[in-house]
Parts: sequence; C-alpha cells; structure tokens
Amino acid sequence: NAGVTQTPKFQVLKTGQSMTLQCAQDMNHEYMSWYRQDPGMGLRLIHYSVGAGITDQGEVPNGYNVSRSTTEDFPLRLLSAAPSQTSVYFCASSYDAGGSIEKLFFGSGTQLSVL
Amino acid sequence: AQSVAQPEDQVNVAEGNPLTVKCTYSVSGNPYLFWYVQYPNRGLQFLLKYITGDNLVKGSYGFEAEFNKSQTSFHLKKPSALVSDSALYFCAVRVPSGGYNKLIFGAGTRLAVHP
Repeated sequence: NAGVTQTPKFQVLKTGQSMTLQCAQDMNHEYMSWYRQDPGMGLRLIHYSVGAGITDQGEVPNGYNVSRSTTEDFPLRLLSAAPSQTSVYFCASSYDAGGSIEKLFFGSGTQLSVL
Repeated sequence: AQSVAQPEDQVNVAEGNPLTVKCTYSVSGNPYLFWYVQYPNRGLQFLLKYITGDNLVKGSYGFEAEFNKSQTSFHLKKPSALVSDSALYFCAVRVPSGGYNKLIFGAGTRLAVHP
C-alpha cells in the first residue's frame, strides 16, 4: 500500500517563485491536511480539508493556497515563495474529521529551501 | 488558546532505564490527547491516544502514557528504554474547528537513549 505520497522530496526555490507541493493518498480518507515543521516550533497546521470541495485554514495559512477537487489529492501552492517558508512540509490524512481524526497517516515530507 | 506544551527540548536516558517525556495541555472541555513519534527522515507515526476511561493508556512499541486531569498532563513513559527508541516525540491535542476537528501539536521532545 502506498499510503500518503508526497512529491517532491526536496526543492530549492528563489524568492518570488511559485510552486505546488503534491500530496496523494490511496486510503479513501476524507480528511487531509498540511503541516510545516520548524525547529523548536513543532508541527503547525497550514490548511486542512474534510472532503472534496471543502477546505479551511489552520494556524499559519498566509502565503499558501489549497484546493481539494478529488478525495485522493490535496496540493499545497506557494504563491510567491519567501525565505520564511523554508521548512519541512508534511501532508497527513485520516478517515474523517470526527472521532477518527487522531490517527493521522503522514507522508515522508518535502524539504523546501527558499533562497 | 487551546494548546499543548512539551517543556523539554531533549531527554537523555541510559538503555534499560525508565523514560518519561512530558506533555501538558490547555483545552476547554474534555481533552483528546495523542502521542506521535518521528524517526529520522520520516513522517510522524501514531503511538497512542487518550479519549476517555482508564488514565493509563498503552500504545505501540511498549510505550504508555498517563493522563492526569488535575495536573493537565499526559506524560509518555516506558519502563525500559531501548537505543532504537531514540527519536523525536510529539504530543498533540484534538480541538474543534468550525464543526470539525483538527490536531494541534507540541514543539516536540528529542529522546536520546545511550547504550
């Protein structure tokens, strides 16, 4: 089973460039989310989705866009990259956003550097 | 604001000794608490959860956690540490958000088990 697949694993951007981090899951999970991991700050929620066509903001949404056109995919878009967005990004999914949300399944991460 | 705190950046333990990784929480209502583990260059993996019932919760890899409502704590424990337990550990709490739920993570504690 593939689980949660993130691409790319590594990316270097210049300030002002845009890009999309891809996330796909094959477990038919309703709930999907994006986190960023920074030293000393743990994981912070960027955006999440409770189903196709439904998204909402997390703790640190500025500078990022998401959409959920299918159950399987939840891409994260950086509109105009800034050095402050240098981080490791994780996509995670769960069966639903109710009682089962606590068992999140994580991808292996994308390490992004913005110069 | 609803949150979790992990007061120790790093915990050092000798192999075979008991270990404790601390977590305190601040939430309204009944807390739903979780522990995740992250091995190097990997995404997070679910360890255990507390929803209700017995204050001592058992999870994967021999870990357990003790819920203490009066001290608002949810410490992770293991009777005998292994070198292979060395990893980054995250405490998390489920919080309501716009009719759904989301997970908020602590900053993480690095556990180093020495031979």
